[in-house]
Amino acid sequence: DTGVSQNPRHKITKRGQNVTFRCDPISEHNRLYWYRQTLGQGPEFLTYFQNEAQLEKSRLLSDRFSAERPKGSFSTLEIQRTEQGDSAMYLCASRPGIGADTQYFGPGTRLTVL
Amino acid sequence: DAKTTQPTSMDCAEGRAANLPCNHSTISGNEYVYWYRQIHSQGPQYIIHGLKNNETNEMASLIITEDRKSSTLILPHATLRDTAVYYCIVRLSYNTDKLIFGTGTRLQVFP
Repeated sequence: DTGVSQNPRHKITKRGQNVTFRCDPISEHNRLYWYRQTLGQGPEFLTYFQNEAQLEKSRLLSDRFSAERPKGSFSTLEIQRTEQGDSAMYLCASRPGIGADTQYFGPGTRLTVL
Repeated sequence: DAKTTQPTSMDCAEGRAANLPCNHSTISGNEYVYWYRQIHSQGPQYIIHGLKNNETNEMASLIITEDRKSSTLILPHATLRDTAVYYCIVRLSYNTDKLIFGTGTRLQVFP
């Protein structure tokens, strides 16, 4: 499978714990995006990378959230001191840097904070 | 950023055409109309996009009105697997390509 992959697919944690999600984009896609989706809503943009550079961050990305893409390939999204309001689906997408501008989404990581 | 308005839900009989409308009356001249869909428990999937001309691909057709204030996504022969939430998105300015999703239209295809 050469699509976008995300791990884990599901994560249950207790309030106050830290969690980290991983996204592996399609090979050679140099743009990578993180979105968050709560029940009944469309995905909301969080941040995006071009190679290893984080070029834009949403105001939704509070200081408890941090995203990295150290080598311009996979990316991690960490949430510190989780709150119940962080419960959501976290989606990753990638696209080539030039040419087609379609974003390809992964299956998401569903986070439940108890 | 141009906003879009879509009906909350629609039904369609299997084998019939599904016509999903979208209003984007504040769209600017250089903004494209994109359609994505999200099948339950999956990530969104790109369907089609266009600027001002009608577009067709293997999945769907996109009809954009001449004034570009509205568009219609057409699934010519809906199947049960087309049951999903369909999002109409107007792409932001040239310098950023994040997607802004609304709440979309929940299409239910029934046998």
